[in-house]
Amino acid sequence: DGGITQSPKYLFRKEGQNVTLSCEQNLNHDAMYWYRQDPGQGLRLIYYSQIVNDFQKGDIAEGYSVSREKKESFPLTVTSAQKNPTAFYLCASSTIGDHEKLFFGSGTQLSVL
Amino acid sequence: AQRVTQPEKLLSVFKGAPVELKCNYSYSGSPELFWYVQYSRQRLQLLLRHISRESIKGFTADLNKGETSFHLKKPFAQEEDSAMYYCALTGGNDMRFGAGTRLTVKP
Repeated sequence: DGGITQSPKYLFRKEGQNVTLSCEQNLNHDAMYWYRQDPGQGLRLIYYSQIVNDFQKGDIAEGYSVSREKKESFPLTVTSAQKNPTAFYLCASSTIGDHEKLFFGSGTQLSVL
Repeated sequence: AQRVTQPEKLLSVFKGAPVELKCNYSYSGSPELFWYVQYSRQRLQLLLRHISRESIKGFTADLNKGETSFHLKKPFAQEEDSAMYYCALTGGNDMRFGAGTRLTVKP
């Protein structure tokens, strides 16, 4: 079953804790993206990667970190430096230069305890 | 800097009425514009792109470079069109989205 998988579906973070959101795809896509979705603000780009071992900051990268050690995986770490982490996080992937094939995961809802 | 603006957070129409969801953008080069849709309990998915100049589910969108707009239109709205709609823009490397418009089509 091909697609893009995000886990977990729900995640809770304690104050001062780092948490990592998983994103895996088996679509052989080169590009992967992380977005944050807040009510009334739409999707805001956190980080994106077009190739293994390379990634770029989006509009709201502060307080987040990513890695791209494998083509299939693009995990997002929400660090303690992110003061307002409660949001819905969406991962997406696409082929390079063909954004029509931008596929989205089902999302992770992160909440702060 | 690239930016996408959707001025209406909520839009409500009656079934059979025309609907237009507004999208304006700012970009210094030649962007590609898209509309994405998210139906209830479904993933965000592509609805249409300006390059294709196609009609999907009765929706069309024309890129107006003079007005920097990419409004989404449908002449006769259906109840199943109720969803969250996002306008998006790419200059080649990444994709930027607007804040979204929630469309409700009433019976």
